[in-house]
Amino acid sequence: AQKITQTQPGMFVQEKEAVTLDCTYDTSDQSYGLFWYKQPSSGEMIFLIYQGSYDEQNATEGRYSLNFQKARKSANLVISASQLGDSAMYFCAMRERLTGGGNKLTFGTGTQLKVEL
Amino acid sequence: DTGVSQDPRHKITKRGQNVTFRCDPISEHNRLYWYRQTLGQGPEFLTYFQNEAQLEKSRLLSDRFSAERPKGSFSTLEIQRTEQGDSAMYLCASITGQGKEQFFGPGTRLTVL
Repeated sequence: AQKITQTQPGMFVQEKEAVTLDCTYDTSDQSYGLFWYKQPSSGEMIFLIYQGSYDEQNATEGRYSLNFQKARKSANLVISASQLGDSAMYFCAMRERLTGGGNKLTFGTGTQLKVEL
Repeated sequence: DTGVSQDPRHKITKRGQNVTFRCDPISEHNRLYWYRQTLGQGPEFLTYFQNEAQLEKSRLLSDRFSAERPKGSFSTLEIQRTEQGDSAMYLCASITGQGKEQFFGPGTRLTVL
């Protein structure tokens, strides 16, 4: 079974600074996908960024980038120029195939990010 | 495109009562998922629909839980004889057949007293 590990329960960063949220994963599949979602206190899961296992370049989406190190099985999220609105829970997730043909997401335990003035 | 919606947003019930939640996915999305999220944890997969067919159920989904998607559009999740351990956020997500990211609804927060 696949497993996602997020070892940072909480992180603090000053406004306008960059922050890295750690994620390691374990899978025996050769083809897989890695995701980061943001969950504000309102509860909705907001998709941030995706990295496919065969993608040669690290994914970027605006202020979000994914530092993908396949040999280390890590997929860290980097948020540049932090804003107060970035304060939220951040989840790393991996796509796992289902026997019925779809894919489910396996999530880590999350990192609570607090952006300070 | 109004996104995934869920109703109700909050539900408080007494132990032993039945509850039903509804999820309306994005209209062109044929795949629908239910997840459960307890405090301090990431969401955990419960069940998956492709159109109206329920193709996968997690072992987390006990016999007291049942989910339907009768016309391949909205879905309902029913919990019978609720227990305090059922208290959680229930999240619905949808995706197209070719999409990569699942789109989540705002969730239904269940509290069982």
